[in-house]
Amino acid sequence: GDSVTQMEGPVTLSEEAFLTINCTYTATGYPSLFWYVQYPGEGLQLLLKATKADDKGSNKGFEATYRKETTSFHLEKGSVQVSDSAVYFCALSDRGGSYIPTFGRGTSLIVHP
Amino acid sequence: DAGVIQSPRHEVTEMGQEVTLRCKPISGHNSLFWYRQTMMRGLELLIYFNNNVPIDDSGMPEDRFSAKMPNASFSTLKIQPSEPRDSAVYFCASSERRGQGGDYSNQPQHFGDGTRLSIL
Repeated sequence: GDSVTQMEGPVTLSEEAFLTINCTYTATGYPSLFWYVQYPGEGLQLLLKATKADDKGSNKGFEATYRKETTSFHLEKGSVQVSDSAVYFCALSDRGGSYIPTFGRGTSLIVHP
Repeated sequence: DAGVIQSPRHEVTEMGQEVTLRCKPISGHNSLFWYRQTMMRGLELLIYFNNNVPIDDSGMPEDRFSAKMPNASFSTLKIQPSEPRDSAVYFCASSERRGQGGDYSNQPQHFGDGTRLSIL
C-alpha cells in the first residue's frame, strides 16, 4: 500500500536558519505530492504541491521538488521565522489508487528568536 | 470564501453520553473526509464520502461511531456511547473530486479547524 515517511521531530532552529524536513514515499501508482502545515489550534492547510516528476512546489518561501528517482519530496526554506513554528505534514494522493490521501506522521518545527 | 466549518469547537462530556460533531464543507466540493488526530496515533482517516455516499468507512474504530451526509452541505459524526479513549481532535475536510482527464490526485484537501473532544 501507499505510505509516507517523515523525519522525526521536533526540529528546533534559530531564526534565519536553513530548514530541511525530509519526506519519502511509496506508492502503487504515480502520485501527486503535498505539504500541509498545521498551526496550533487550527486544521491542516495546504502549503504547496507538485503533481509530476521534477515539478517544484513553492509558497511563502518554502520549496519542495518532486524526485521520482529517489521517491522524495523534501521541504526546504532558506531562512525560517518564529512564525513558521508549526507541524508540517507530507502527503500523497495516488493516481493508481483510490485518491484518498495518505499522510505522514507530521514533523514539529520550533523556531527560536 | 467560507472554508470548512465545524461545530462545536470544543466539547467536554461524560463517558456514556452521545456526542455529535457537525461539518459544513466548502460549497461545490463533492468529497468529504472525517479524521481523528491524537498524539499517539497521529492523523487517522475515519470515513470518506463522495457525492454524499460513504465510500470507505474502514477507519471507523467501532460500531459506536457512525457518520452521515444527508446532503452536499452537511455531515455529522456521532459517537454513542462515548468513552474516554475517544478523546481527540476531530477534523472534517472537503475536496473537489474533479480534475483534468479524470485525474483527481492533484486536488488538495481543505480542513476545518477541528472539534476538540474530551470525554471524562
